[in-house]
Amino acid sequence: AQSVTQPDIHITVSEGASLELRCNYSYGATPYLFWYVQSPGQGLQLLLKYFSGDTLVQGIKGFEAEFKRSQSSFNLRKPSVHWSDAAEYFCAVGGLRGSQGNLIFGKGTKLSVKP
Amino acid sequence: DAGVIQSPRHEVTEMGQEVTLRCKLISGHNSLFWYRQTMMRGLELLIYFNNNVPIDDSGMPEDRFSAKMPNASFSTLKIQPSEPRDSAVYFCASSLQTGEQYFGPGTRLTVT
Repeated sequence: AQSVTQPDIHITVSEGASLELRCNYSYGATPYLFWYVQSPGQGLQLLLKYFSGDTLVQGIKGFEAEFKRSQSSFNLRKPSVHWSDAAEYFCAVGGLRGSQGNLIFGKGTKLSVKP
Repeated sequence: DAGVIQSPRHEVTEMGQEVTLRCKLISGHNSLFWYRQTMMRGLELLIYFNNNVPIDDSGMPEDRFSAKMPNASFSTLKIQPSEPRDSAVYFCASSLQTGEQYFGPGTRLTVT
């Protein structure tokens, strides 16, 4: 069955510290992978995506993610967290490009940032 | 580009009333997704369309919910009659079949 697991429901980091949010997926075909961020009261914003090629992808706001096929993981990282990064982060997996386009979302990780 | 537009942003209604949520896709996109988000259940896909055709409506909770795409750029999600358990934030998202979806700001629905 297709699924996305974000094992951490809530993470707190200090401002300036590094961040890694975990995402594991189960998908029968070549996955297309995404990270979204949701600030309070807003919709989901696409941070970055992986379709193919270089397994380390860069996104907006200084985020990056690495696709590791052997571990079925697509963890999100940021070297130095800012207070404005406090939000909820969702990992998602989809199928082949040109398919119906449906995505499967994880349940999200809420990030709090300590001053 | 204006992005995905949803209206209204907030809706408060009484149980039993009809509620209509609206969504305008990003110009040129051909897939439309309706989601519901609650604290208890997280983000749930209700239904999605491809080229105006409903592809999967298995997430629609029950017959009280219906969704349409009267044209390629616009969709409605209707709840009739509404119930308090329908209170949630409803998002629509559009895509160009490339996989990445672009979300609207959501409609916060409260049914009293």
